[in-house]
Amino acid sequence: LAKTTQPISMDSYEGQEVNITCSHNNIATNDYITWYQQFPSQGPRFIIQGYKTKVTNEVASLFIPADRKSSTLSLPRVSLSDTAVYYCLVGERGGSQGNLIFGKGTKLSVKP
Amino acid sequence: DTAVSQTPKYLVTQMGNDKSIKCEQNLGHDTMYWYKQDSKKFLKIMFSYNNKELIINETVPNRFSPKSPDKAHLNLHINSLELGDSAVYFCASSQGVLGGGNTIYFGEGSWLTVV
Repeated sequence: LAKTTQPISMDSYEGQEVNITCSHNNIATNDYITWYQQFPSQGPRFIIQGYKTKVTNEVASLFIPADRKSSTLSLPRVSLSDTAVYYCLVGERGGSQGNLIFGKGTKLSVKP
Repeated sequence: DTAVSQTPKYLVTQMGNDKSIKCEQNLGHDTMYWYKQDSKKFLKIMFSYNNKELIINETVPNRFSPKSPDKAHLNLHINSLELGDSAVYFCASSQGVLGGGNTIYFGEGSWLTVV
């Protein structure tokens, strides 16, 4: 089971780009990297998932280096509404315990 | 058209009472989960059912009993409530076992306060 490590908290200002890095040194060959976002008083929701290189969607980008031992979630031009906790999970797409283990996440605070 | 819905959203009850939280998903998923998020915001899995069969039962007191009448429903019954049971309980579902199918969908949470 690949363990993930993220910063506990980050601060940013509106309009800035925010990069949150997650370490997963013992990621397995079949593991994917999935990020979730949790707003206060809501359940977590899927943001993005990737296996290698770069993935981009309408919400964020995910950068994964060749060794896959870390990944970086990039949020372009954040707004106050991006204040949330962001979780990084590592597990097999077909199903594994890693897909279910939410660590403490990174609490992002966006200030005006 | 909420994907994963749970009721009640808020519940305040006294120690020693028995209470239930209901969950339903309309995504056609085979697997459902219960998570607990305590005051320190740590989100921890409690149970998982796949096609009405229990497949994950983490170290949870046996006062907690999940029940799945069909694969679209997973209810959580808690006996003899204690102060430490106060938390937010999230129901979730996924297409496959152990989060298979790319993503887990969460409900809005049920805020349980035991006084």
